[in-house]
Amino acid sequence: SQQGEEDPQALSIQEGENATMNCSYKTSINNLQWYRQNSGRGLVHLILIRSNEREKHSGRLRVTLDTSKKSSSLLITASRAADTASYFCATADNQAGTALIFGKGTTLSVSS
Amino acid sequence: NAGVMQNPRHLVRRRGQEARLRCSPMKGHSHVYWYRQLPEEGLKFMVYLQKENIIDESGMPKERFSAEFPKEGPSILRIQQVVRGDSAAYFCASSARDRAGEQYFGPGTRLTVT
Repeated sequence: SQQGEEDPQALSIQEGENATMNCSYKTSINNLQWYRQNSGRGLVHLILIRSNEREKHSGRLRVTLDTSKKSSSLLITASRAADTASYFCATADNQAGTALIFGKGTTLSVSS
Repeated sequence: NAGVMQNPRHLVRRRGQEARLRCSPMKGHSHVYWYRQLPEEGLKFMVYLQKENIIDESGMPKERFSAEFPKEGPSILRIQQVVRGDSAAYFCASSARDRAGEQYFGPGTRLTVT
C-alpha cells in the first residue's frame, strides 16, 4: 500500500531560518495534505494540494507537489519557536479516497 | 463553531477491561474516520463510517475492536478485553465529503492499559 515518507526524520534550526521537509509516496493520488502535531496534541490541518496543482501558499507555508517524482515539500519560512512540532504528510489514493495514509513525520525543533 | 470533539481525553484501563472512545464530528459533517497512533509513529487508518454504516474497516484489527456511528449521538470505538499493546492515541476525524475530502481531526484519546 502507498505510504507517505517524510524526510528528514528530525530537523533543528534557529528562529528566523527556513525549514524544508520532504515527503515521498508510492502510488497515484488525488491530493496530498500536510498536518502539524504539537507534542501530545491532536493534528492541525495545514494545507491541501491537489494532484493537478504544483505549488500552493498559505502564510509562511509553501507546498510543492511533483507527481512525476511522487514527492512533495513543505517549506516554512522565517520559522518561530512556536513552529516546533511534528509535521506529517498524508495522501488519499485515487480509488478509495476514504483513508488518509500518513508517514512517520518530521520532528522540527526551532530554538530561539 | 465546535470542531471535532473526543472524550475522554485520557483513559486508563487495566488489562481485560473494555475501553469506549467517543467522537462527535464537526457540525454538518456526516463522515467519521478513526485512526490510531502508536508512540513515535504516524497515524494508521482504522475505520471509516457514515451514519449507521461502516464503509471501510480495512484497518481494524479482526478481534476485540468494533466501531459504530448511530443515527443519533457520537461515534463509538470500542475495544474489548484490552491488552498493553492497545495503549496508543486514538484520533477521530470528520469530513463533509468522503472521497479525498479534507479531514478535520479531534484532539485524540490517549489510552493507557496497565
